[in-house]
Amino acid sequence: NAGVTQTPKFQVLKTGQSMTLQCAQDMNHNSMYWYRQDPGMGLRLIYYSASEGTTDKGEVPNGYNVSRLNKREFSLRLESAAPSQTSVYFCASMPGPYNSPLHFGNGTRLTVT
Amino acid sequence: KNEVEQSPQNLTAQEGEFITINCSYSVGISALHWLQQHPGGGIVSLFMLSSGKKKHGRLIATINIQEKHSSLHITASHPRDSAVYICAAPGRNYGQNFVFGPGTRLSVLP
Repeated sequence: NAGVTQTPKFQVLKTGQSMTLQCAQDMNHNSMYWYRQDPGMGLRLIYYSASEGTTDKGEVPNGYNVSRLNKREFSLRLESAAPSQTSVYFCASMPGPYNSPLHFGNGTRLTVT
Repeated sequence: KNEVEQSPQNLTAQEGEFITINCSYSVGISALHWLQQHPGGGIVSLFMLSSGKKKHGRLIATINIQEKHSSLHITASHPRDSAVYICAAPGRNYGQNFVFGPGTRLSVLP
């Protein structure tokens, strides 16, 4: 029972490089989210997917793209990394509306130099 | 837009003490979540509540919907309770999303 699996755990990129963060959940959840967490700030939403086949921008989408490949997988892509994207990234999923618990992946610590 | 505030920002306690962490939000909600982020970084859901009180072991969460306020209590605190505690309330701007408080960093000393 893996829950939400997120890879990689750590990544260092040079400015301008690209990478994809992978996220998969095995709980048959409809909603999936990508957040970033910066020191002193709450988790901020980058993109979300309310169901398979749909994606929408969140609070801080600039510099990112996402793909909801199927119900299980929701990936986050940085096309041209910038130092401002140094952060800890979390994928999360939820079965439905607000009255159900959030499940988080273990996070990806990304450093852009 | 729903704003979520937490207090205190940091809290140091001695083992065995009773701990209270507060959360207030600005917009009426249907449910509020309490999360725990371990020192290693992982985040787990502790409680989801829409009214009254919930208890799980030494943790108790209460909510007052009218006052837009929730509290997380830890009885007989232990060093393993050291973590960041985050409350989250439904947002209004981005579908079924949450607005997260900045977190309360708790250190329980032996």
